[in-house]
Parts: sequence; C-alpha cells; structure tokens
Amino acid sequence: EDKVVQSPLSLVVHEGDTVTLNCSYEVTNFRSLLWYKQEKKAPTFLFMLTSSGIEKKSGRLSSILDKKELFSILNITATQTGDSAIYLCAVSPLDAGNMLTFGGGTRLMVKP
Amino acid sequence: GAVVSQHPSWVICKSGTSVKIECRSLDFQATTMFWYRQFPKQSLMLMATSNEGSKATYEQGVEKDKFLINHASLTLSTLTVTSAHPEDSSFYICSARVYGYTFGSGTRLTVV
Repeated sequence: EDKVVQSPLSLVVHEGDTVTLNCSYEVTNFRSLLWYKQEKKAPTFLFMLTSSGIEKKSGRLSSILDKKELFSILNITATQTGDSAIYLCAVSPLDAGNMLTFGGGTRLMVKP
Repeated sequence: GAVVSQHPSWVICKSGTSVKIECRSLDFQATTMFWYRQFPKQSLMLMATSNEGSKATYEQGVEKDKFLINHASLTLSTLTVTSAHPEDSSFYICSARVYGYTFGSGTRLTVV
C-alpha cells in the first residue's frame, strides 16, 4: 500500500524565519510528487517533482526530490503570516489510475 | 489555466435527505475526476475515482450505495450523498488530472 508521511505535524515560527517541511514516501512505480498549500478551502498547487536533485523554485518557496532516499523537502524562506496554512504532499504512481495519495499534512503557523 | 468549478460551496441539510455536489471542468475535458473527503485537521482521503461513461471505482471502506458518483459527460461529475447523516458532515473536494491536479473549491457539508 502506498504511504506518504509528512513531518513535522505542526510548526509555529515567527515572520522572517526559514522552515523546512519534510515528506517521505513509499510507493510502487513512482511517477511524481506534488506539494500543495491549503488554507481555508481547496488545496492550491505549488510544485510537481518528477526528477531527483532538481530544485524547483517559486519566489520564497523551493522544493527538491530525492528518489533514492524517497523523500522531498519544501523550503520557505523569509516566512510571512500569509504562509500560514496546511502544506500537503502527495504522490502519484504510474498506475492506479493516476490517483494521488496524500500525506497527513504539516500545519504551519507564522506569527508576526 | 485549467479550472474545476465545484458547487455548492457549502450546504446544510437535514438527516435523511440527499445532497448532490457537482464538479465541472470549465476549459478542458476531464475523463477522470477524483473525489476526496477531508475531516477537520486531517488530510484528504480519496473516496472514489470517477470515469466518464463508466462506473466509478471506490476506495476500500467507501459505501458506493451511499456516495453515488455519476460522470455522464466529459465536463461534469457529480457526487450524491444519499440519506445523509451527521457523520457524513465533512469537506468534499473533487480533482481532475491536469498538470498539478486541479482541485475544485470544495463543498462543506453539514448534516443536522
């Protein structure tokens, strides 16, 4: 059974801090790993990672995948209160109809 | 970009009644839609995979007679919660597989 584990479960930091969120996975026939940010409603897409060692970057957010060690990290630098959200990691296998298996999420709170 | 429109955003219904949730792909054709359920402070759990023109595939533990899924066209998938009970109160989200897996805005169902 595919498994995605995120850590930490929750995190409280102050504005300006840098945070690293972790996602480890066990999945047969890995296709891709995706990161989402969820505030009050539906998740919004951040990154999709398919290749090891290639960092994806968007503003203060960046992410990288290690397919050998089966994990990914999401970094947020110079955090702002607007970064407060649940960050979800999901993996997509090659088969199984393209469905996503989600991790439990990391709840990030950024204090002013 | 790809947009999935989900309605209603929230619904309150009486116990024993049925509720229909719609997801429409606005600018693309979705042969497959995924339906998720999310309880407070928990991650998304896949309920079923909806395939246009064929029967949905349900995840283990999801009652197919209770959560009726119809995907009659390439742009519309519906989830009907039949004979809803308070324990069905949850956040329901649909998703289509385009790059990054586009999510609907979610439906918060409260059964009283």
